[in-house]
Amino acid sequence: KAGVTQTPRYLIKTRGQQVTLSCSPISGHRSVSWYQQTPGQGLQFLFEYFSETQRNKGNFPGRFSGRQFSNSRSEMNVSTLELGDSALYLCASSFPIGRESGETQYFGPGTRLLVL
Amino acid sequence: AQTVTQSQPEMSVQEAETVTLSCTYDTSESNYYLFWYKQPPSRQMILVIRQEAYKQQNATENRFSVNFQKAAKSFSLKISDSQLGDTAMYFCALHPLYGGSQGNLIFGKGTKLSVKP
Repeated sequence: KAGVTQTPRYLIKTRGQQVTLSCSPISGHRSVSWYQQTPGQGLQFLFEYFSETQRNKGNFPGRFSGRQFSNSRSEMNVSTLELGDSALYLCASSFPIGRESGETQYFGPGTRLLVL
Repeated sequence: AQTVTQSQPEMSVQEAETVTLSCTYDTSESNYYLFWYKQPPSRQMILVIRQEAYKQQNATENRFSVNFQKAAKSFSLKISDSQLGDTAMYFCALHPLYGGSQGNLIFGKGTKLSVKP
């Protein structure tokens, strides 16, 4: 089975711009979570989508949004970029069926965003 | 609040030796999962091992095993016969199971492990 894929892998933007990142989960997985990884804050949860619905959201400003399509692919969008948004953005997919799956998340390679 | 603490920012080990990485966590939930992930310099986060809180038996995966102490809220990772390819950042993560926790892994700050030849 193919793993989680993320596009693009690298991105350079300037302050004030917006950006859209894409994530394709493992085939059959219906849950997609997004994380931001920075040297200072570590790994922080952004949001989770399941069956096109956002079920959970972390403590990030409204500039960070996402969506999920009927094929479980997900996108996240960051509007009005700030320097502090420079980070590695990771998405992870899982097939949440409770104890049987262990809620195990499998990660993509990430998108490295640099905001200048 | 749910938290995960990794008290060893960096560790090193000689090839073929054994090393143990520490992790403590805090949650008021009785049902949860614990994970160890590794992140090599390539930045790809890779699942190492998973432990269900309701299982008393410690999980093992080849050279990787855990020591899960539920009462002490401790979840350490033992790597036996360390290999150069084990060099990576290791993250301990907690997934409490309660309404509103979907998809949210809570990570520690990580331990940077270097395996020396």
